[in-house]
Amino acid sequence: DGGITQSPKYLFRKEGQNVTLSCEQNLNHDAMYWYRQDPGQGLRLIYYSQIVNDFQKGDIAEGYSVSREKKESFPLTVTSAQKNPTAFYLCASSTQRTGLNAEAFFGQGTRLTVV
Amino acid sequence: AQTVTQSQPEMSVQEAETVTLSCTYDTSESDYYLFWYKQPPSRQMILVIRQEAYKQQNATENRFSVNFQKAAKSFSLKISDSQLGDAAMYFCAYRSVYGGATNKLIFGTGTLLAVQP
Repeated sequence: DGGITQSPKYLFRKEGQNVTLSCEQNLNHDAMYWYRQDPGQGLRLIYYSQIVNDFQKGDIAEGYSVSREKKESFPLTVTSAQKNPTAFYLCASSTQRTGLNAEAFFGQGTRLTVV
Repeated sequence: AQTVTQSQPEMSVQEAETVTLSCTYDTSESDYYLFWYKQPPSRQMILVIRQEAYKQQNATENRFSVNFQKAAKSFSLKISDSQLGDAAMYFCAYRSVYGGATNKLIFGTGTLLAVQP
């Protein structure tokens, strides 16, 4: 089945550690996105990528890093510089083409907690 | 830069009644997509409805329909015959049709919909 997979579902990080959230899609989408969602809040864009080996900062990129070495994969690293990383993280992908199926497809999310 | 605004943080509706969720956006582009997504307690994002700006006809999907007013930059979602399963957070979103490195998907802050039995 085609889809977008995030792992792990739950992740715990100690203070000062870097952690990496995985996002893989087999939809042949060019564009991929990372969003952060805090309790009762909307989706804030962290990073996005429209093509392999290229990505752009979103509204809250500080303390995060990404890579896009393969079309299918867009991992997000939460670095120790991110002072308040506890949140729900959503990955999404979409086609660059116009017309049908222009919407984004989402993974099931990763809940990151600092312990 | 494009922005999306949802001015209703919370809404409530009686089961079987109709409710309308508001969304306004700002853009200088002439062609774009607008979406409504639903996020139930499971937190899985589910597409409710899609509208292409060049289409004047309002999109409908069963009990869900939109009122798309391009000149006013308004994109409201109407839910008819509300059901308990409609209770969720609803997000309005915008995406340009034009490609390029800076093409991004932008969300509003969401409206939490409660459905009363």
